[in-house]
Amino acid sequence: AQKVTQAQTEISVVEKEDVTLDCVYETRDTTYYLFWYKQPPSGELVFLIRRNSFDEQNEISGRYSWNFQKSTSSFNFTITASQVVDSAVYFCALSDYKLSFGAGTTVTVRA
Amino acid sequence: EAQVTQNPRYLITVTGKKLTVTCSQNMNHEYMSWYRQDPGLGLRQIYYSMNVEVTDKGDVPEGYKVSRKEKRNFPLILESPSPNQTSLYFCASSQTYRGSNYGYTFGSGTRLTVV
Repeated sequence: AQKVTQAQTEISVVEKEDVTLDCVYETRDTTYYLFWYKQPPSGELVFLIRRNSFDEQNEISGRYSWNFQKSTSSFNFTITASQVVDSAVYFCALSDYKLSFGAGTTVTVRA
Repeated sequence: EAQVTQNPRYLITVTGKKLTVTCSQNMNHEYMSWYRQDPGLGLRQIYYSMNVEVTDKGDVPEGYKVSRKEKRNFPLILESPSPNQTSLYFCASSQTYRGSNYGYTFGSGTRLTVV
């Protein structure tokens, strides 16, 4: 069965700290895609990254980085030197035959 | 501007009064879907559509209907809304069901309250 687990419900950090969000997934397919979305307090869903199952290269985009490990079925997301504007709910999602989301992790960055 | 447009943004209605939430995309996407977001549960898929006249149930379809008569529109219909359908609803589209390098494009959301 397809499943996405974000075990961390809430994370609170002080500005400039690094924060890592965990995402573990389950799928029977060999071809699938993983996503991260950000939902700021305003409510819209902001696309951050898409990664396919054949590409295990880590990715860095500014202060964001992603670590994809097929061996552990994980696709973790790190925010380096967090800022108050990073405060949001972050969702991990898996697309094999349909798109499924994790429950989300609420990140609060305090000044 | 490429976008998914949902209407209304906010809606308060009474139990049993039929309502429709509209969703329209201007990107010629084949794939469209509806999600509901509830605290602690993330986004759960209600219905999806692979193309015109092709729709299928997601994880939580009970109490909802959809139609896809045109490629750009994918309305969500609640024939007899109940309080447990109070939620935040999102429509999404993509060129394929796998998404794209730009992910899925989401609408701004519709906050529905059923009293």
